[in-house]
Amino acid sequence: DTAVSQTPKYLVTQMGNDKSIKCEQNLGHDTMYWYKQDSKKFLKIMFSYNNKELIINETVPNRFSPKSPDKAHLNLHINSLELGDSAVYFCASGTLSYEQYFGPGTRLTVT
Amino acid sequence: QKEVEQNSGPLSVPEGAIASLNCTYSDRGSQSFFWYRQYSGKSPELIMFIYSNGDKEDGRFTAQLNKASQYVSLLIRDSQPSDSATYLCAVNAGNNRKLIWGLGTSLAVNP
Repeated sequence: DTAVSQTPKYLVTQMGNDKSIKCEQNLGHDTMYWYKQDSKKFLKIMFSYNNKELIINETVPNRFSPKSPDKAHLNLHINSLELGDSAVYFCASGTLSYEQYFGPGTRLTVT
Repeated sequence: QKEVEQNSGPLSVPEGAIASLNCTYSDRGSQSFFWYRQYSGKSPELIMFIYSNGDKEDGRFTAQLNKASQYVSLLIRDSQPSDSATYLCAVNAGNNRKLIWGLGTSLAVNP
């Protein structure tokens, strides 16, 4: 009964490919997030959805497209992958009081 | 630009000592303050949150908030080698469910 789950855990792919990462939460929260953590360990917010509505859309290449089919799911699709996209991508689920709970992460390696 | 600053460390303390981690923030309007622990290769884990000036204790952890001076700290009493991790400070930014993150402080507890 994992609270926030992500698939896949590891993703190795070549430049130019398209890939998706899926996230699901069973905490009953209305808000979900995508973060990118690069090799320097800085946690950078990418997107956030609240009840399927996009509420945070940081400066991210438009090759990245989030989608939230319902408030328990948030997916991230990445087109035309580049070497610089290699990072760990975390999904998180959040409460009204700003607490955020993270999934285990997806380690993306672009070769 | 709203910022959260932490000393990157590493902070090294002997087992059994008190570890003191500090964080300053720039937005005087921030109301919610969080400490996350991140072990190497794992996702951030929420360990403390504080909303009011003063101290909040939870087991060996104490969070301290001083809004006038715009700093929040985390004290870890009786430090254990298992506390060795990176500690991330996060502060809410406005009311759009976004957190501003520090770069983290690396803590090493030596047996």
